[in-house]
Amino acid sequence: GENVEQHPSTLSVQEGDSAVIKCTYSDSASNYFPWYKQELGKGPQLIIDIRSNVGEKKDQRIAVTLNKTAKHFSLHITETQPEDSAVYFCAVPQNAGNKLTFGGGTRVLVKP
Amino acid sequence: DAMVIQNPRYQVTQFGKPVTLSCSQTLNHNVMYWYQQKSSQAPKLLFHYYDKDFNNEADTPDNFQSRRPNTSFCFLDIRSPGLGDAAMYLCATSRAPGQETQYFGPGTRLLVL
Repeated sequence: GENVEQHPSTLSVQEGDSAVIKCTYSDSASNYFPWYKQELGKGPQLIIDIRSNVGEKKDQRIAVTLNKTAKHFSLHITETQPEDSAVYFCAVPQNAGNKLTFGGGTRVLVKP
Repeated sequence: DAMVIQNPRYQVTQFGKPVTLSCSQTLNHNVMYWYQQKSSQAPKLLFHYYDKDFNNEADTPDNFQSRRPNTSFCFLDIRSPGLGDAAMYLCATSRAPGQETQYFGPGTRLLVL
């Protein structure tokens, strides 16, 4: 099955700095890569996703980059704000299956 | 707004007493999923419905069952909750299975006494 590794597991940044989270995966057939943000006591919310026909996608302060050759993709948050504090999960579809395999999650703390 | 709704948001049950969690969606999506999430862990898929076809994960305990009476609603039944079943239960939907976006509800936090 798909193996997804996410790093780091915790990330503390100063407000205004950038945060980067990286995920690596094993199945080269995967072509869809979402990132979810989960705030305390809430369900995960999709914040950005990318398909394998592009190498980068941006949405305001959030961007995702994809390297299919190396089988990794990264979430970039610029100009971090306290409301960015949450747990972030990457996910990768399992080959020929109907489910997403999630990374282990990254707890991000933005210090004012 | 189209959305995924879960009720109740918090559920307290007694050890061994059956409990049902509900999920509804206004997205008209074909696939509905149930996940279990324990503290500081990633969501773990229990099962999903693709239309009326039920797909159980190999490691989902028999204690967990699901029903989907129509497109909009899906239920998670825990027949005899144990202390280890205390968790957040997340419902999600997607338009189709496979490499498609999944949209999550707010979750139901289950406490087993």
